[in-house]
Formats: sequence, structure tokens, C-alpha cells
Amino acid sequence: DGGITQSPKYLFRKEGQNVTLSCEQNLNHDAMYWYRQDPGQGLRLIYYSQIVNDFQKGDIAEGYSVSREKKESFPLTVTSAQKNPTAFYLCASTGGNTIYFGEGSWLTVV
Amino acid sequence: GENVEQHPSTLSVQEGDSAVIKCTYSDSASNYFPWYKQELGKRPQLIIDIRSNVGEKKDQRIAVTLNKTAKHFSLHITETQPEDSAVYFCAASIQDTGRRALTFGSGTRLQVQP
Repeated sequence: DGGITQSPKYLFRKEGQNVTLSCEQNLNHDAMYWYRQDPGQGLRLIYYSQIVNDFQKGDIAEGYSVSREKKESFPLTVTSAQKNPTAFYLCASTGGNTIYFGEGSWLTVV
Repeated sequence: GENVEQHPSTLSVQEGDSAVIKCTYSDSASNYFPWYKQELGKRPQLIIDIRSNVGEKKDQRIAVTLNKTAKHFSLHITETQPEDSAVYFCAASIQDTGRRALTFGSGTRLQVQP
């Protein structure tokens, strides 16, 4: 699990702003994922990428964007179009069947 | 797409008792079923997983059973301890091809009373 680094751990966003959450992995994993978790809820898939320069929408992609220019990096941008972005965001990766999570980023709208 | 339902949402047991959490899934193509434990504010930690070619798997006090016909799987924790208190999530995915992303259940908050 220590091979996935998310930053920042805490982030505050003003309404109308875009913010970017960083996710870096040194596990040499091909697949990477972004999940959102609301308090008391399960994890919902935002975007995923199976390989460099390719990514797919998950179940709740509206208001978010991603890029996968390098195998190690999968940043998530929360755009102003996301009306309720306050949540815990988890990045993950897998090279096989086991998925490894980063420590998460807390995003709060102020 | 896949839909995973999890029950109960909360579960309170006495220390030493057993706890059982149940999940159902909708996509018969799903073939990988992990269970995660999450403590408040932390990332989920994999505690056990099972693949569709196996009906049961055990690891010390934790076991998982899978019924492919009924499309449900369960987590069993025996001899519960206060440190087992956490939120537990089941998940399902289709491995080796396609999306491979996990679809999670809504979670079960387990409280073990000393």
C-alpha cells in the first residue's frame, strides 16, 4: 500500500474553482482508479485507466476529469461542474487481481 | 453494470460472538470478490478475497463463502474482538478482462462490545 501516494491529504475548494488531486504509484501497475466516498457510504468509481494514454468513465464521472500521460501518475481534477464535491477521494492501482489504495484525500468546499 | 447490495448496514455483537455480513451481486460474469476493512478516515484494507472457482476460503478467524448460483457471498468473523470494530465492505469485479474495477457494497459498520 505504501507504493501509492496521494496529495494533498486535505484540500479546501472555493465554489467555482477547479482543483487537482495527485496520485502517484511506484508499483509498476498498469491499471489505476479513482473512487469517491461520501460519509457513511461505499466507494463509487469516478474514472479508471487500464493503460497509459487511455481512460474510461466510471459510474459518477460528471464534473471530473483525468489524464494518464505517465504510467506512474493519474491526477484527478474536480471541476466547478461538480456541484457537491465534498468527499473522501481514494486513488488505487492494480497489477493483477489485488487492488491497492492510497491514503486518500479529503476535499471540502468552503 | 454490476450492482452489489450489502446487509446489514450496522451490526453489534458481543466480544467472542460471531459476525456475518452478506452481499449479493447482479452480474453473473463477476469472478472476484474481495472484502475490505476500513477504519475511520483511513483507506480500505483487504482482509480476504475469493474467486469464483472456489466456494469457501478461510484465514484464521475470517472466512468467506460464495454461492455462484444464488449470486451471493458472505463474510464470517468468529471470536470477535474489539479491534474488529470497523466498517466492512464487500466488492465484486470481472477480472482478467474488461473494466476490472471493483463495485462496492454500501458497507457494514461492525461494533464489537467488550
